[in-house]
Amino acid sequence: GIQVEQSPPDLILQEGANSTLRCNFSDSVNNLQWFHQNPWGQLINLFYIPSGTKQNGRLSATTVATERYSLLYISSSQTTDSGVYFCAVEKMNRDDKIIFGKGTRLHILP
Amino acid sequence: DGGITQSPKYLFRKEGQNVTLSCEQNLNHDAMYWYRQDPGQGLRLIYYSQIVNDFQKGDIAEGYSVSREKKESFPLTVTSAQKNPTAFYLCASSQRGITGELFFGEGSRLTVL
Repeated sequence: GIQVEQSPPDLILQEGANSTLRCNFSDSVNNLQWFHQNPWGQLINLFYIPSGTKQNGRLSATTVATERYSLLYISSSQTTDSGVYFCAVEKMNRDDKIIFGKGTRLHILP
Repeated sequence: DGGITQSPKYLFRKEGQNVTLSCEQNLNHDAMYWYRQDPGQGLRLIYYSQIVNDFQKGDIAEGYSVSREKKESFPLTVTSAQKNPTAFYLCASSQRGITGELFFGEGSRLTVL
């Protein structure tokens, strides 16, 4: 099946710093999403981004489908950005089977 | 409010007992999913359903069962055959054929004593 790899696995930053999280996938995909899991376990949609670039406040994402990767940028980090960031993809054959990477655990220090 | 409701949020059971976790959505989504998350790990797909009365096994279906009798409901039963059932279970839904964007419930934390 399709492989989804996220890097780095863990990241510790000072408040105010910028960060880039990466998601590589092994096959063509129909869609790609980024999620943030808060300390209570809730998964929040950040971006639905099968290709191109999107921005939402301090967060932006870019997916280069032809090269099979996506990047999530977080600028001017805040402590509330802490948590786990997941990338999830649906394979191109649209079997609706959405596969997650193992996530990047981000810890923002005050 | 539209969304996905999972219940119960916390559940304790003795070993050998079957447990059913509820998932209800009022988003009118066709597809529904169950994922399992272990501490410090990613999400693994247990079962998914693209349409009423149809469902497919995910990557870790052994020891679990599901039903999809209504569009809005996708309950998961953790059977006694599941060797290590203690985990955080997440239900999600998406609308096929449009964006495929996935939305999650708040999760159910199962502890088997």
